[in-house]
Amino acid sequence: GAVVSQHPSWVICKSGTSVKIECRSLDFQATTMFWYRQFPKKSLMLMATSNEGSKATYEQGVEKDKFLINHASLTLSTLTVTSAHPEDSSFYICSASRGKYEQYFGPGTRLTVT
Amino acid sequence: QQPVQSPQAVILREGEDAVINCSSSKALYSVHWYRQKHGEAPVFLMILLKGGEQKGHEKISASFNEKKQQSSLYLTASQLSYSGTYFCGTEKGGGADGLTFGKGTHLIIQP
Repeated sequence: GAVVSQHPSWVICKSGTSVKIECRSLDFQATTMFWYRQFPKKSLMLMATSNEGSKATYEQGVEKDKFLINHASLTLSTLTVTSAHPEDSSFYICSASRGKYEQYFGPGTRLTVT
Repeated sequence: QQPVQSPQAVILREGEDAVINCSSSKALYSVHWYRQKHGEAPVFLMILLKGGEQKGHEKISASFNEKKQQSSLYLTASQLSYSGTYFCGTEKGGGADGLTFGKGTHLIIQP
């Protein structure tokens, strides 16, 4: 149980275009979903916290107009990278939580902006 | 504030034991431990909660000293599959916060 999927797993896009990444909890309802990004050989950095039906809470330094988060249901959250640039290239990972305990991570989406 | 992990890296032979430490300068509600293999997402190992409750892996144990704001992960009789980067993630809130991860500890198990 507690499976989280992400789609797509890998995307290459041209600079200036927007990319949408989906995060789904497949077999449970997630009260909260989180978005992280990870640069090569670096740690995961929390970008934002997302609760169903309410606006996402962004960490300091993360542009909310650049990284649009929509939490449409208890099983789906989306991250849209708007007007992507090469410096946005990264590994984006979502996690989903049922409440007080562990967070279950998705397999990640590797974004390359050319 | 990012927790500090030690050591940064360690190489062991199969069957040896390892201890990975995580310390924070802030009071913690919980400490989460994950293992990540190259190119893959982190895999949950353990969570230790304030008050002593813990949930996790049957072959891996961990401790959480709330007063010292420190946690240690104990890997006994290591197996080749234990290789990877271990991250501790700390949470200061009441159970619904995102995690602040340490820089990771690279563990290599050799046959």
